[in-house]
Amino acid sequence: ETGVTQSPTHLIKTRGQQVTLRCSSQSGHNTVSWYQQALGQGPQFIFQYYREEENGRGNFPPRFSGLQFPNYSSELNVNALELDDSALYLCASSLAGGYEQFFGPGTRLTVL
Amino acid sequence: KNQVEQSPQSLIILEGKNCTLQCNYTVSPFSNLRWYKQDTGRGPVSLTIMTFSENTKSNGRYTATLDADTKQSSLHITASQLSDSASYICVVILYNQGGKLIFGQGTELSVKP
Repeated sequence: ETGVTQSPTHLIKTRGQQVTLRCSSQSGHNTVSWYQQALGQGPQFIFQYYREEENGRGNFPPRFSGLQFPNYSSELNVNALELDDSALYLCASSLAGGYEQFFGPGTRLTVL
Repeated sequence: KNQVEQSPQSLIILEGKNCTLQCNYTVSPFSNLRWYKQDTGRGPVSLTIMTFSENTKSNGRYTATLDADTKQSSLHITASQLSDSASYICVVILYNQGGKLIFGQGTELSVKP
């Protein structure tokens, strides 16, 4: 186990709804990165948070947003859900400066 | 464009056999390369980490190689076990860009009894 936890483990939503996914980082880690992994594909970088500020973003629309809290835990929010948003959402925690990222177990989101 | 490509896309082997997975990358600036194992529906777990100056790194039955000149890496699994069935993902980390990761699409390995 990596010490990174995510909730919920599974989630079913319908198109147009909004969803919030949560991630608790490993103790001592101040950086959280979020990834979207479609079935049969490698993870795609969504964004990274460092000390409560967004610190890099991948090619995802603004309806994907995030937060990081003072305890370094993080949320991923997705508005106006689309069918293609169905995926495994992974968060990874690390120390700043390119240290190894430790992944959580993921949240499986299904959009109907 | 930074890309990581893996082959084969999927592989089926018998328990006890060896196999080799391939990874080609066009990523710059390069910091290090990692192989991850991802069980179905779970998060990736790191197997090996190599910088550009390292040619080989072993972790039990897993041995990774890196040729920084040709920008190729391989992961060799020896004496496969049923529990090796998983997706193996090659990941390249960019230098001096906050640890940004470039993922390959993974090789799906299935070990049969």
